[in-house]
Amino acid sequence: DIQMTQSPSFLSASVGDRVTINCKASQNINRYLNWYQQKLGEAPKLLIYNANSLQTGIPSRFSGSGSGTDFTLTISSLQPEDVATYFCLQHNSWPWTFGGGTKLELK
Amino acid sequence: EVQLVETGGGLVQPGRSLKLSCVASGFTFNNYWMSWTRQAPGKGLEWVASITNSGGSTYYPDSVKGRFTISRDNAQNTLYLQMNSLRSEDTATYYCTRDHYGSDYWGQGVMVTVSS
Repeated sequence: DIQMTQSPSFLSASVGDRVTINCKASQNINRYLNWYQQKLGEAPKLLIYNANSLQTGIPSRFSGSGSGTDFTLTISSLQPEDVATYFCLQHNSWPWTFGGGTKLELK
Repeated sequence: EVQLVETGGGLVQPGRSLKLSCVASGFTFNNYWMSWTRQAPGKGLEWVASITNSGGSTYYPDSVKGRFTISRDNAQNTLYLQMNSLRSEDTATYYCTRDHYGSDYWGQGVMVTVSS
């Protein structure tokens, strides 16, 4: 199975900060990496698919980059509504596997 | 608008069975692969099962293979998850997802608690 190592597991930042979250795959997953946002008590929401494609309706302050084994989610200017937990998902091969999550809070 | 509504959760004893349903609307159901993903309380996400748009092929992780069965009724726009031989570690919120470049839309989830 492909292991997805997500870092950091916890992040505290201020409104307006640039925030980066990383996922590292244990083997090459090409660009088959998605990023999700999950707010407390809600279902996950797709932000980025296939490493760098912005899902319809998602603000442009969210972006994704990377390929192969190293991937990054960037929030260019943190907003209060971005407080959430963020997960990555590899869908390159079965079984699909998720990163452990990054809990993002406001400083 | 894509909507996925899960039902069928609840409290069940270890070793017993439970069947979840997910009714889909707002898209052409038989054009999409579908999946189930779960989240144990306070934990991360775990993919549980996927099925092709025709229902001809299914995929499972080792943790549920042989115990869980995913199926679909394209005439009724409904996805199912039959869960047998349930264990305490199966306690989780189960999400139905539409699959397009991975899972793109998620239902609100249904809670399954396995306890005596």
